[in-house]
Amino acid sequence: GAVVSQHPSRVICKSGTSVKIECRSLDFQATTMFWYRQFPKQSLMLMATSNEGSKATYEQGVEKDKFLINHASLTLSTLTVTSAHPEDSSFYICSARRRSGGDYNEQFFGPGTRLTVL
Amino acid sequence: AQSVAQPEDQVNVAEGNPLTVKCTYSVSGNPYLFWYVQYPNRGLQFLLKYITGDNLVKGSYGFEAEFNKSQTSFHLKKPSALVSDSALYFCAVRVNAGNNRKLIWGLGTSLAVNP
Repeated sequence: GAVVSQHPSRVICKSGTSVKIECRSLDFQATTMFWYRQFPKQSLMLMATSNEGSKATYEQGVEKDKFLINHASLTLSTLTVTSAHPEDSSFYICSARRRSGGDYNEQFFGPGTRLTVL
Repeated sequence: AQSVAQPEDQVNVAEGNPLTVKCTYSVSGNPYLFWYVQYPNRGLQFLLKYITGDNLVKGSYGFEAEFNKSQTSFHLKKPSALVSDSALYFCAVRVNAGNNRKLIWGLGTSLAVNP
């Protein structure tokens, strides 16, 4: 149980185009989903926290107009990188927290999406 | 400021030897601590967590971690390392952020187990 999927796993796009990444909790409902960005050999950088049915909370320094997050249901959140540029190339990882559980709900991570902008 | 530190970028250990991956933290209140592992080109996998109770926490794949409040540490350990344990290990602590709870991450430690 507690499986999180991401689609696509890998995407290559031209500069200026927009890319949508989906994050799904397959066998549980997630009230909260997190979007991370990971640079090579570096830690995870939290980009935003997404609660179902409400606007995402972005971390300082993350452009909300560039990284659009939608959390329309308890099992799906999407991240859209708008007008992508080469510096947006990175590994994007989502995670989900269960709707029910203890106070110390762990996060379940998707396998990540490798974005390459040419 | 609340933070997590993993002082070693890389740890090398011979197969069969014990391993330790270090983590220290700085948070207000009681810490909720986690260890995750990341294999190449894959997402993170949960290893173990400390919330309360016994200071020695046992987790997946034979790993364990010891919570030490006086030293504000949560080192990851395994009695006998396997080559397949080679991966990137992250320590994290949960903090409250407004109406949300989020994890603060260490920079990661690359573990290399040599045959």
